[in-house]
Amino acid sequence: NAGVTQTPKFQVLKTGQSMTLQCAQDMNHEYMSWYRQDPGMGLRLIHYSVGAGITDQGEVPNGYNVSRSTTEDFPLRLLSAAPSQTSVYFCASSYSGGAYGYTFGSGTRLTVV
Amino acid sequence: AQTVTQSQPEMSVQEAETVTLSCTYDTSESDYYLFWYKQPPSRQMILVIRQEAYKQQNATENRFSVNFQKAAKSFSLKISDSQLGDAAMYFCAYGLQGGSEKLVFGKGTKLTVNP
Repeated sequence: NAGVTQTPKFQVLKTGQSMTLQCAQDMNHEYMSWYRQDPGMGLRLIHYSVGAGITDQGEVPNGYNVSRSTTEDFPLRLLSAAPSQTSVYFCASSYSGGAYGYTFGSGTRLTVV
Repeated sequence: AQTVTQSQPEMSVQEAETVTLSCTYDTSESDYYLFWYKQPPSRQMILVIRQEAYKQQNATENRFSVNFQKAAKSFSLKISDSQLGDAAMYFCAYGLQGGSEKLVFGKGTKLTVNP
């Protein structure tokens, strides 16, 4: 009964470093998304996927890459970390996101120094 | 593009009292879905309530209910008999079925519950 699992929960990066935030779900959901949450900005969509092999950009995609090789996994890659990417990142999955909403992971707090 | 607006950055309520959080949205669609999510200090996003736009009846989940005004594009959340555990950020969200299936979120309202 894991739901959506995100790792790590906390991370500190130096400017210019790269890293991958992991996301896995065990509910056989087709739809998965990555959001970032910043104070006063709500949740903004970074990238999303409607199924294995299919991804698309959201509202704030610059500096991030995604891939969806399996239904279960949807990793988010930071190519060259910048202080502006300091944020809390959420992965979410859904059977039918627009109609039933998403199940969220517990988030990753990322600090870029 | 669809937008969701929460005009109250912060609200407070006394324990056992009732509070209403506001949400408005902009869309040209006629068939859509609306949600309220709760984010307590633990950071976990929890779905509180869901409304289908084609249903006139307002959704209710225990102490949580909505006032859905489709013509006015308004979707407020009413919390009755407020409890200390209701203290959290509350986010309003909009979704469409078919296509991208993504959700659009408002910026949130921070609710404080005073004992």
